[in-house]
This record gives sequence, C-alpha cells and structure tokens, in this order.
Amino acid sequence: DTAVSQTPKYLVTQMGNDKSIKCEQNLGHDTMYWYKQDSKKFLKIMFSYNNKELIINETVPNRFSPKSPDKAHLNLHINSLELGDSAVYFCASSQEGRAPEAFFGQGTRLTVV
Amino acid sequence: DAKTTQPTSMDCAEGRAANLPCNHSTISGNEYVYWYRQIHSQGPQYIIHGLKNNETNEMASLIITEDRKSSTLILPHATLRDTAVYYCIVSGNTPLVFGKGTRLSVIA
Repeated sequence: DTAVSQTPKYLVTQMGNDKSIKCEQNLGHDTMYWYKQDSKKFLKIMFSYNNKELIINETVPNRFSPKSPDKAHLNLHINSLELGDSAVYFCASSQEGRAPEAFFGQGTRLTVV
Repeated sequence: DAKTTQPTSMDCAEGRAANLPCNHSTISGNEYVYWYRQIHSQGPQYIIHGLKNNETNEMASLIITEDRKSSTLILPHATLRDTAVYYCIVSGNTPLVFGKGTRLSVIA
C-alpha cells in the first residue's frame, strides 16, 4: 500500500487555467505538507497543515490554496496558472510532534504551456 | 534557509563505503540531524537521524562529532541504486528545510 499518494502524476495545462492536485495519506498522520521543486531542483516548503493550523510560506502566491476535506487528505488548488508554476509538487505527511520524520509522495509534475 | 553545508557532488565505487559529510556549526541543542535522499524523479526518502550519539539502521550509519557541528552519513556498501541526491537537515520539530544536498554517483 502506498503511504502517501498523489494524483495525477503528470499534469499539462494551459496558462490561466485552474487545476487541483490531490494528496492522500494512509499513515494516520496529523500533519500534511506541500513542497515545490523547481527546475533547479530546489525543494521548498509551501504549506504545512494540521487540523489546528495552516502555516503558509510567505513566498507562496495566494493563487495557491490547500484544502483539507479530512485528516487524510490535503489537496492543492492553483488558480490562474502561470508558466512559472511549472515544477514538481510533492505532498508529505508526518505525525504531530515528529515533523522532520516525513513521508513523501512520488510527486506531480506540472507543466504549464 | 538551510543550516547545513554539504559538498555539491561525490563519486563512489560500487561496493565501497560512501561517506557523505555535512557541516552544521550553528545547530542548536534541541535540534536533530536528519538525512534524506532523493532518487531521480522520486519523492525524498528518510534515511536516518540522530541527536548526539552515533546511529545505525538497515540503510546507513550516522556519525555525529562530539561538538555536534558536523556529521557523516555512511552507506557501507554502495550500490548503483544508491545514486541520488543526499540531504542533511537539522531540525527540532519543524518542517524539513532542504538545502542543495550532495549528488552521489555510484560508479560500476
């Protein structure tokens, strides 16, 4: 069983569109994250979220919004996609109190054309 | 920003030990040293972590200096599948902040 799963694995879309990436974890973890890895391979945290608090990296445009229907899911919605949003997006999860011991999904490669 | 310094790249012969160094001179007393790796096109994978004692698991060993300002990740018998970018991260209980890591190439 996949611990952290993301869908889709690949996403190609046009500028200006709105898209979502889904993330599910079956580990019973309390906290979930979204990371972005750009073309230079830098991995940067975008959001961390548990049922108490959403922490947003201040560099993330407000076109990006995480939505959590329940503890096992944290979806990423992106409005008005731009060319610079092209990247690989990784979802991760961890237990409360053990933030650095995170499990990552396999990534979603987003290409904006 | 990452609080660690690692070499950009390293090579290792298959079957030999790979020793990956990391400097973390500003580590705080409550921060652990974590190692992750990212194999091409995959999500980062946890390897090992430690506070001040040396640690060993089925994947690797972690040696932390007594002053905790540096550490070394040891892959005892590197295989081609160990080719990856290895990240050394210091953290208390905060989300992972990745630096540039070390690109390890295991050569046949």
